[in-house]
Amino acid sequence: DIVMTQTPLSLSVTPGQPASISCKSSQSLLHSDGKTYLYWYLQKPGQSPQLLIYEVSSRFSGVPHRFSGSGSGTDFTLKISRVEAGDVGVYYCMQGIHLPYTFGQGTNLEIK
Amino acid sequence: EVLLVQSGAEVKKPGESLRISCKGSGYSFTNYWISWVRQMPGKGLEWMGRIDPSDSYPNYSPSFQGHVTISADKSISTAFLQWNNLKASDTAIYYCARHGRGYDPFFDYWGQGTLVTVSS
Repeated sequence: DIVMTQTPLSLSVTPGQPASISCKSSQSLLHSDGKTYLYWYLQKPGQSPQLLIYEVSSRFSGVPHRFSGSGSGTDFTLKISRVEAGDVGVYYCMQGIHLPYTFGQGTNLEIK
Repeated sequence: EVLLVQSGAEVKKPGESLRISCKGSGYSFTNYWISWVRQMPGKGLEWMGRIDPSDSYPNYSPSFQGHVTISADKSISTAFLQWNNLKASDTAIYYCARHGRGYDPFFDYWGQGTLVTVSS
């Protein structure tokens, strides 16, 4: 299975400040079709996960521009340009290039 | 509006059987795969398997193969997750999720989750 490793596992950010989460995969997520199968989800407290970013850097419908994804191969980053109170929750990266799909351990974002 | 509505919370004893459901609406159910994802208490997300509702062909994670059965009934736009021999370690929230763009390996809409508690 592909192992997804997120850092940090916990993040405390002052509102208005930026935040960054790293995700590294044990194998390249670049497919021969040219797509990179890396995704980001946010699970807010008491809610189901929600899709933020697909294929490394494409924002899902309704996701604010404050959220951006970058990276290639095995190293990826989710950035929030200015954290808001509603951004609290656990952020997960996930790979979809090989079955079984695997998630990172999650990064818990809290507000200072 | 795309909705995935899951069945309600369940409390079962070890060894019992259970089937939970996930009903899709607001889209063409047979054009989008459905996956199931487990979240054990206080833990992260684990992909269990997926199904193509058009032909009910499933794929399983090796970690769950043989312990659960994923099925679908396209006539009622519903996917199912079933156990025949529940264990205490099956206590978790189970989410169904729709695959983006039909068959892509990501999940654009999620159900509200079904809490399954297995306890003697």
